Amino acid sequence: ETGVTQTPRHLVMGMTNKKSLKCEQHLGHNAMYWYKQSAKKPLELMFVYSLEERVENNSVPSRFSPECPNSSHLFLHLHTLQPEDSALYLCASSQDVRGAEAFFGQGTRLTVV
Amino acid sequence: GQNIDQPTEMTATEGAIVQINCTYQTSGFNGLFWYQQHAGEAPTFLSYNVLDGLEEKGRFSSFLSRSKGYSYLLLKELQMKDSASYLCAVRDAGNNRKLIWGLGTSLAVNP
Repeated sequence: ETGVTQTPRHLVMGMTNKKSLKCEQHLGHNAMYWYKQSAKKPLELMFVYSLEERVENNSVPSRFSPECPNSSHLFLHLHTLQPEDSALYLCASSQDVRGAEAFFGQGTRLTVV
Repeated sequence: GQNIDQPTEMTATEGAIVQINCTYQTSGFNGLFWYQQHAGEAPTFLSYNVLDGLEEKGRFSSFLSRSKGYSYLLLKELQMKDSASYLCAVRDAGNNRKLIWGLGTSLAVNP
């Protein structure tokens, strides 16, 4: 496999469920990102990891909890979500946090019911 | 405040040329990016401009004027597969990690 891979591609969860999104990159990059993409809104940066250390948290509610066990893997743990959290969640990676080019995964389409 | 403006939708004909504009007002500037996103797919990197002028890459070119806070993406010899959303993003100089994104321009290429 190459590039950035996200699983699952689609997820439907109830407001009381706990689920996790997974992202894996095979590019040897040191920086990884979680973005939220909602209809009629710009891409929203949620979290940034550099060399497995969280370097940015953009006022994201605590019901979203990221985890970066190593530089190739990134998780987003979800619990007690709200319907307005339904969106496309995109993972990306770049050589480093100042990299000129980010590579995106295909995203997880999340629906909260 | 931080703001990126681009047209919501554009339509063009196969074989033609189309120019997608992006204007920005940001507290700082450290580069402008264009990404292409097909429906249901990942955004893919197209171009990066940090200095004024035109960067050409095959059928796609990107232009930047920092003094005017303006960029455009030029697509030549349009193909049906170019139908996609084109996202403009500016890297804030104050925080090199933060990209400020536009809403994207949805381009429809008709036969």
